[in-house]
Formats: sequence, C-alpha cells, structure tokens
Amino acid sequence: NAGVTQTPKFQVLKTGQSMTLQCAQDMNHEYMSWYRQDPGMGLRLIHYSVGAGITDQGEVPNGYNVSRSTTEDFPLRLLSAAPSQTSVYFCASSYPTTFSGNTIYFGEGSWLTVV
Amino acid sequence: SQQGEEDPQALSIQEGENATMNCSYKTSINNLQWYRQNSGRGLVHLILIRSNEREKHSGRLRVTLDTSKKSSSLLITASRAADTASYFCATDAIYNNNDMRFGAGTRLTVKP
Repeated sequence: NAGVTQTPKFQVLKTGQSMTLQCAQDMNHEYMSWYRQDPGMGLRLIHYSVGAGITDQGEVPNGYNVSRSTTEDFPLRLLSAAPSQTSVYFCASSYPTTFSGNTIYFGEGSWLTVV
Repeated sequence: SQQGEEDPQALSIQEGENATMNCSYKTSINNLQWYRQNSGRGLVHLILIRSNEREKHSGRLRVTLDTSKKSSSLLITASRAADTASYFCATDAIYNNNDMRFGAGTRLTVKP
C-alpha cells in the first residue's frame, strides 16, 4: 500500500515556466488536497477536491490550477512560475468526503525552487 | 490567515522530561487534530479531539481542548530523542469542514 505518492521530489524552475506536480493515492479516498509549506509558517491550503470532477479553492489558490479526472489522481499545475512559489508542496488525502474528524494522509513533499 | 497558532515556536528538553505544546485558534471548530513532521518528511497524524471532548489520551500523548478559550494542548510524557520533530495543530472551520488550517508548528528538540 503506497499511500499518497508525489512526484517529483525536487524541481528547479525558471520564472515563467509551467509545470505539474503529480499526486496519486491508492486508498480510494474521495478527498484530496494540496498544501504549501513555507519557513516559519504552517501549511496553507491551495486547492482541494471532494471527488472526481469536483474541485474548490483553498486559502492561497492564485497561480495554481487543479483537476480531478479520477479518484486516484490530483495534479497541481503551476501556470507561470514565480519566485514566490518557491516552497514545499504537500498532497494529502482523506476518507470520506470531508476532513472533519478524519485522518489526513500526507505525501512526502515536493521541494520546488523558482529562480 | 492561519487558524491555529502553536506556542512555543521552539522547545528544547532533556530525554525523560515532559513536553507541552499549546495551540490557539480563532473560530469555532468541529475538531482539532495534532500532527507530527520529521525533518524533510510529510506530516503524520497523531491524535484527534472533537469539539465535545475535553481530554484524550493515546500512548504517551495527552491532548486537552478548551473550546471556551479556543485552545488545545499536547503533552508528550517521558520524551525520547526520537520525539524530536515539529508538531502542528490543525482545525477545521465549523462553516466549512473541508478547509483544514494548520498552525506554524512547535519545533521540539529532545536531547539524549
């Protein structure tokens, strides 16, 4: 059981480039989300999804897009990378459709540097 | 803005001592969770306490919740060097329990 798998682990981008962070879970969780973690700050919610075909914005959605075509996958797209998007990104999932009262399972993180 | 805020930001103790971390939050919640993060890794769930609970235990962990003060504490008893990590509280918003907010965390160092 792999849990939540994120790729790539490390990435360096130039300003203006686009890229996709991949996230997959094999626990049949309905709920998936993306957070970013910056030094001295907690995790901030970027986008989340309560099921295939359904996505919603979190606290800091600007500059990011998501889609949820399958239950297993929830990719995060950076449209035009900016240095302010240098961060560690975590994908998470939970069952059932809401986080309330349910354990959140996190991936190992993706370290992104935008130069 | 962040929902939960941990205090202290950093804590250093000797092995065998108890470690207490506090979390304050701003709005009404359904539940509060504590997570642990080892350096360079993802977060791992430790314990959940619901808004109608006041205290919960799990092994060496004891969590309290005071909804009137909008605060929670995490106590780790008989700490070990392996407990060295960052600890985060997370709360959902009662108006939207799909939106989990995390604090900035407490960095705990347990010296052998």
